[in-house]
Amino acid sequence: DGGITQSPKYLFRKEGQNVTLSCEQNLNHDAMYWYRQDPGQGLRLIYYSQIVNDFQKGDIAEGYSVSREKKESFPLTVTSAQKNPTAFYLCASSPKTGVMGETQYFGPGTRLLVL
Amino acid sequence: QQPVQSPQAVILREGEDAVINCSSSKALYSVHWYRQKHGEAPVFLMILLKGGEQKGHEKISASFNEKKQQSSLYLTASQLSYSGTYFCGTENAGNNRKLIWGLGTSLAVNP
Repeated sequence: DGGITQSPKYLFRKEGQNVTLSCEQNLNHDAMYWYRQDPGQGLRLIYYSQIVNDFQKGDIAEGYSVSREKKESFPLTVTSAQKNPTAFYLCASSPKTGVMGETQYFGPGTRLLVL
Repeated sequence: QQPVQSPQAVILREGEDAVINCSSSKALYSVHWYRQKHGEAPVFLMILLKGGEQKGHEKISASFNEKKQQSSLYLTASQLSYSGTYFCGTENAGNNRKLIWGLGTSLAVNP
């Protein structure tokens, strides 16, 4: 079955620690996205990538980093510089770049908690 | 500019209808509607494109008024499974294909 997988489902971070959230898709989609969702809030874009080896900052990129070495993978690292990382993190993908009106498909999410 | 959704919350009895609105201060190219249940990923419902094209759910309808820069989602004969938070995401020309999301409308359908 095609889809987007995120791991782990829950992640605990200690103070000063970097943690990496995994996102993999087998939909052959070109574009991938990382969103952060806080309780009662909408989705805020952290980073997005439209092609391998290229990515752009979203609205809240500070304290986060990404890589896109393979089309199917777009891991997100939450660095120690992100002082308030507790949130629900969602990865999404869409089929094509350069086309408006493309549907985004979401993974199941990772909930990050600070110890 | 974040789109504004209204109402913030709705409570229905099974079988009742509801309308959820999404308004933008900028010209829209497309509006995307998603439903999210607690602790789960948003699920795609509908996309409305400038020019009138619609793609999406068979049992849910929506409208897109380009002049007013707003979209409405119509939920008719609501079912218990319709409960969740509904988000609209808007796409503006020149926004590099990024979606800007509203804060959501919480819908509860009771028996």
